[in-house]
Amino acid sequence: DQQVKQNSPSLSVQEGRISILNCDYTNSMFDYFLWYKKYPAEGPTFLISISSIKDKNEDGRFTVFLNKSAKHLSLHIVPSQPGDSAVYFCAATTSGTYKYIFGTGTRLKVLA
Amino acid sequence: GAVVSQHPSWVICKSGTSVKIECRSLDFQATTMFWYRQFPKQSLMLMATSNEGSKATYEQGVEKDKFLINHASLTLSTLTVTSAHPEDSSFYICSARDARGTNTQYFGPGTRLTVL
Repeated sequence: DQQVKQNSPSLSVQEGRISILNCDYTNSMFDYFLWYKKYPAEGPTFLISISSIKDKNEDGRFTVFLNKSAKHLSLHIVPSQPGDSAVYFCAATTSGTYKYIFGTGTRLKVLA
Repeated sequence: GAVVSQHPSWVICKSGTSVKIECRSLDFQATTMFWYRQFPKQSLMLMATSNEGSKATYEQGVEKDKFLINHASLTLSTLTVTSAHPEDSSFYICSARDARGTNTQYFGPGTRLTVL
């Protein structure tokens, strides 16, 4: 049972344009969501997070949107840069458990 | 801040031997550390949750006698893969949660284990 899904395994975007990565979840108990960036043979790097009490959180070029009714979150990267090329994982957790459930990842390729 | 290290970064061992992987939080104290494994082109799967000074909590399907976890201090957790077999070959990643109570985990760089 995949509680966190990233339905697009890959995405290609032109440099300077917007990258939109999507994530869906099924467990309504999740109340905290995170996005991580990962290069091959490295650990994930934290990008941005959002609590379920918010619907948007912004940090520089990265913005995460949360739609609780649709159980959907998305990560927007504007403008996209070649260095953003990596695999992006969304993760969800329930406060107090501290256990993350990761999505399957989306490989982003930003074309110069 | 929030740096987590892992050692070794890669290891090759013979089948039947045991391998220890260390995970350290370098600039913060970690009440809780987590161990994940990732197979090629798959997601990170949580293996166990390690709390300082207590027994680890293992996820369903993870053999606790095979994957021994010790969290002896607020900055160090170890994972020992006992009697390793080729199917244990994987990328093992630890993470640490800041003892100050944030909901964010910080990940180590991972350890590539290859069992021959």
